[in-house]
Amino acid sequence: DARVTQTPRHKVTEMGQEVTMRCQPILGHNTVFWYRQTMMQGLELLAYFRNRAPLDDSGMPKDRFSAEMPDATLATLKIQPSEPRDSAVYFCASGLSTLPEQYFGPGTRLTVT
Amino acid sequence: GENVEQHPSTLSVQEGDSAVIKCTYSDSASNYFPWYKQELGKGPQLIIDIRSNVGEKKDQRIAVTLNKTAKHFSLHITETQPEDSAVYFCAASKGGSYIPTFGRGTSLIVHP
Repeated sequence: DARVTQTPRHKVTEMGQEVTMRCQPILGHNTVFWYRQTMMQGLELLAYFRNRAPLDDSGMPKDRFSAEMPDATLATLKIQPSEPRDSAVYFCASGLSTLPEQYFGPGTRLTVT
Repeated sequence: GENVEQHPSTLSVQEGDSAVIKCTYSDSASNYFPWYKQELGKGPQLIIDIRSNVGEKKDQRIAVTLNKTAKHFSLHITETQPEDSAVYFCAASKGGSYIPTFGRGTSLIVHP
């Protein structure tokens, strides 16, 4: 059963600390999306990768957020330094560039105190 | 850019009733319209989708309709069951990157 996996599932940290979230896309998928979900803003796209290259990160606060794909099986989203307003659920989704369907992971619930 | 409006924000029905969730979109170039179901503590799960060359699509108890002229599409769930209780999101995207714009979600509650 192919699934997107994300780690950690929950993270509680103090303001100013670095946070790294990891995503393993479905094997063979070549597109990866990072989303943030909050009650106020709903689902927001943060970054989009195709064949490991970042194509769109316009939704991401550049001064503190960074997203990378070190290899085809790993995508990372880093926040440094973290702030309370970053508290949200962060989802990774993967797909194929030739098809529109996206498959979401279970998310990382981040709480910054 | 694309703007997707979704209504209602909350929908409460009795088990066995039908439920309808409606979305409108603004970009006439959008051609792919997925629906996601998100259960508590889980990620959104794609449950059905429709492309702009189709007016209706069914999968067992769920169906989606699309009106391209009016730029709106709807999710229909028949014979609702308590396990249908979740938040449902619509989205719209177009070819190329297929980056979706999501609606704000509808919390469906099915009372036994």
